[in-house]
Amino acid sequence: TQLLEQSPQFLSIQEGENLTVYCNSSSVFSSLQWYRQEPGEGPVLLVTVVTGGEVKKLKRLTFQFGDARKDSSLHITAAQPGDTGLYLCAGSRDDKIIFGKGTRLHILP
Amino acid sequence: GAVVSQHPSRVICKSGTSVKIECRSLDFQATTMFWYRQFPKQSLMLMATSNEGSKATYEQGVEKDKFLINHASLTLSTLTVTSAHPEDSSFYICSARKAGGAVETQYFGPGTRLLVL
Repeated sequence: TQLLEQSPQFLSIQEGENLTVYCNSSSVFSSLQWYRQEPGEGPVLLVTVVTGGEVKKLKRLTFQFGDARKDSSLHITAAQPGDTGLYLCAGSRDDKIIFGKGTRLHILP
Repeated sequence: GAVVSQHPSRVICKSGTSVKIECRSLDFQATTMFWYRQFPKQSLMLMATSNEGSKATYEQGVEKDKFLINHASLTLSTLTVTSAHPEDSSFYICSARKAGGAVETQYFGPGTRLLVL
């Protein structure tokens, strides 16, 4: 059973377009995190959302935590080729971090 | 910053041999380190939690006798893949949590790519 479901699994769009990636769970999490991973490297933390309904912005990236703290979204405005990568959501459960399956994003120049 | 290193970054070995991977927290003490495995095109799967000075806790389905974990100091954890086989080929990533740190605050290493021939 996958605790965290991410959608879409793959997304290929043109440079300049907007996109949203979703992370959903049937369980409540005290916090959710978003990571980005480049091929052959470890994941890098982008943001942690803690409060239900919280919205955080990181340049062109907007992260939202659902009111019930069961889901989160990542919205990228005006995507650029440099945004290409694997985006992972993760939640804390039983003193450890559990990852979703990830969304592989490819931005076409 | 909080830097975690892994050594080696890549390793190729013959089937049946054992391979040791090191995970070090360079500028902080880590009471807890985590080991993940990532197959191509897939996400990170937690293998085990390593606590300094005590036995590791393995996730369901992970063979503790095959993946030996030692966390002998506050800055070093090792993962030994014993009698490696081609199906053990994967990207192994460790993370470390600072002493007294929040569970969601983990610092990830750059990963070790293992190829078993």
